[in-house]
Amino acid sequence: SQQGEEDPQALSIQEGENATMNCSYKTSINNLQWYRQNSGRGLVHLILIRSNEREKHSGRLRVTLDTSKKSSSLLITASRAADTASYFCATGWNTGNQFYFGTGTSLTVIP
Amino acid sequence: DSGVTQTPKHLITATGQRVTLRCSPRSGDLSVYWYQQSLDQGLQFLIQYYNGEERAKGNILERFSAQQFPDLHSELNLSSLELGDSALYFCASSARTGLGNTIYFGEGSWLTVV
Repeated sequence: SQQGEEDPQALSIQEGENATMNCSYKTSINNLQWYRQNSGRGLVHLILIRSNEREKHSGRLRVTLDTSKKSSSLLITASRAADTASYFCATGWNTGNQFYFGTGTSLTVIP
Repeated sequence: DSGVTQTPKHLITATGQRVTLRCSPRSGDLSVYWYQQSLDQGLQFLIQYYNGEERAKGNILERFSAQQFPDLHSELNLSSLELGDSALYFCASSARTGLGNTIYFGEGSWLTVV
């Protein structure tokens, strides 16, 4: 399967703490994206990192990519209750623009 | 608001029936994707269209079909429905096909088959 796999499956932290979730994938990719999904809602794009990039920041988000290990991590700093959601990585690869999603990490931020 | 519109938001139908889900992509987006999200299968890529033509197929059942019309809206047709087809169906769009494009998701259509 080309799908990414997020780890951990579930994560519970206190407000203000940092949350780190990881994504591993199997094939060579051209880019990797992270999405957030609130329960029963559509997925919201957070950040895209290209295969020639190692790190990218967006507000409280930091994404790293290690193509040699076929893995990426998403760090959310100073978490807030509103960050409670599921987070998915999606890998984009060579033969078109189909994105395959992992199973997601369910993040709960406790106020 | 992503700009991707899906109708209906909720749908309940009986086994064996056929339904059509509709998607209007973001203004100017040429590429449309359909995904199925269920508890046991996660988020599965079904099919992609680009400017009216099928571009890629994922885990789409033969009972399912889709098309993209000249005005770029898309429809996903689900026939001979089974209980296991109950899921949240997402449409997404992007400006073009190719690498590095962000895809924007609609809010989904909840399908319940009873």
